[in-house]
Amino acid sequence: KQEVTQIPAALSVPEGENLVLNCSFTDSAIYNLQWFRQDPGKGLTSLLLIQSSQREQTSGRLNASLDKSSGRSTLYIAASQPGDSATYLCAVRHGSGGGADGLTFGKGTHLIIQP
Amino acid sequence: ETGVTQTPRHLVMGMTNKKSLKCEQHLGHNAMYWYKQSAKKPLELMFVYSLEERVENNSVPSRFSPECPNSSHLFLHLHTLQPEDSALYLCASSQAVSGRAYNEQFFGPGTRLTVL
Repeated sequence: KQEVTQIPAALSVPEGENLVLNCSFTDSAIYNLQWFRQDPGKGLTSLLLIQSSQREQTSGRLNASLDKSSGRSTLYIAASQPGDSATYLCAVRHGSGGGADGLTFGKGTHLIIQP
Repeated sequence: ETGVTQTPRHLVMGMTNKKSLKCEQHLGHNAMYWYKQSAKKPLELMFVYSLEERVENNSVPSRFSPECPNSSHLFLHLHTLQPEDSALYLCASSQAVSGRAYNEQFFGPGTRLTVL
């Protein structure tokens, strides 16, 4: 059974710092990996999607990398801002057959950017 | 706005009530999903519909009954729930290819359910 782990569980840093969030998964047979942010009481906003054949994706100040063979992904946030405060979730889509196309999520990293 | 809407946003119900959650997607997708988010637990996949056919039921109790009448609408019918079913229920959609859900998933804002 696929398991997704996110480290750290919580992080508080001053504004302007660059930071890295980590995600690991136990079964490397994934189809893709998606990073989301979730604001309190809200749904999920998709940040980046990395297909299993890709190594990284970039969107603005965000950069996500994927090392499928080692079961790891990182989300790099450059020049952090208070508006980046949220919970960041990592999720993998299964790559094998049988219609198992839902996402398996980690518990998330709760990020606070101090002004 | 992600193009996925959910109603109601908040719901309080007793254990003997019957209620339904509604999800609608305006993205032209053909795969839809229900997830459950409980406190201190990862989001859990409940059901997957691809091309209006249920392709996954992730060991969900029968007191939860999904319905997908067309590719734009998804319902979750609730009956005789338990207090431990209180959670945020999230709907998502994506574009399926050849019957298998394929690409990026977009989520609705969720329904916060409280079972008394």
